[in-house]
Amino acid sequence: SQQGEEDPQALSIQEGENATMNCSYKTSINNLQWYRQNSGRGLVHLILIRSNEREKHSGRLRVTLDTSKKSSSLLITASRAADTASYFCATDGANAGGTSYGKLTFGQGTILTVHP
Amino acid sequence: GAGVSQSPRYKVAKRGQDVALRCDPISGHVSLFWYQQALGQGPEFLTYFQNEAQLDKSGLPSDRFFAERPEGSVSTLKIQRTQQEDSAVYLCASSPKPGNWAGANVLTFGAGSRLTVL
Repeated sequence: SQQGEEDPQALSIQEGENATMNCSYKTSINNLQWYRQNSGRGLVHLILIRSNEREKHSGRLRVTLDTSKKSSSLLITASRAADTASYFCATDGANAGGTSYGKLTFGQGTILTVHP
Repeated sequence: GAGVSQSPRYKVAKRGQDVALRCDPISGHVSLFWYQQALGQGPEFLTYFQNEAQLDKSGLPSDRFFAERPEGSVSTLKIQRTQQEDSAVYLCASSPKPGNWAGANVLTFGAGSRLTVL
């Protein structure tokens, strides 16, 4: 079963605008990751945030994590047409010892369309 | 290899046929995962290998699904007596770390095998 709920399910914006996607999850996590999937392709890892971190940046990506609300958001700034893809959050549950199991549980995804 | 390679990319099977899907992970990667992705959905976990040991097969939907990784590198996902509900993209992913590593596992995915059962 899917761990996370993502919203919106679909997002359509113009090039240059920012895109924000949200993810909620249910159980304790070691880390949360965001992946991108272009149509008909595999998933590509974008960014990882650990459970003891609140915010992380990578290029035009900014991810936040609120473990008290069990939620995360991914912000893509200054979007480009090439950012058009599906974006998935994935949670890596924590073992009893708090270590990563490496078994990612994915949300339903957000379909992002960036119009040139 | 440079990435995770899956074959075939596309497979059409008649209901009741057996299929085998192959995954070549990145050389030296310890962990290997299989996921099933239905149309419009996120990937769902099927099974996990650490080297040749299948440590978790809790996601396999029925006993018609079987996976192996006999030498700790290439893996095969076999589906017997395929049903229409088996139609999906089957994704393989690998990671250089074992599942119980104290750090975080980032997965490298293959392009997937799209199975259509008629």
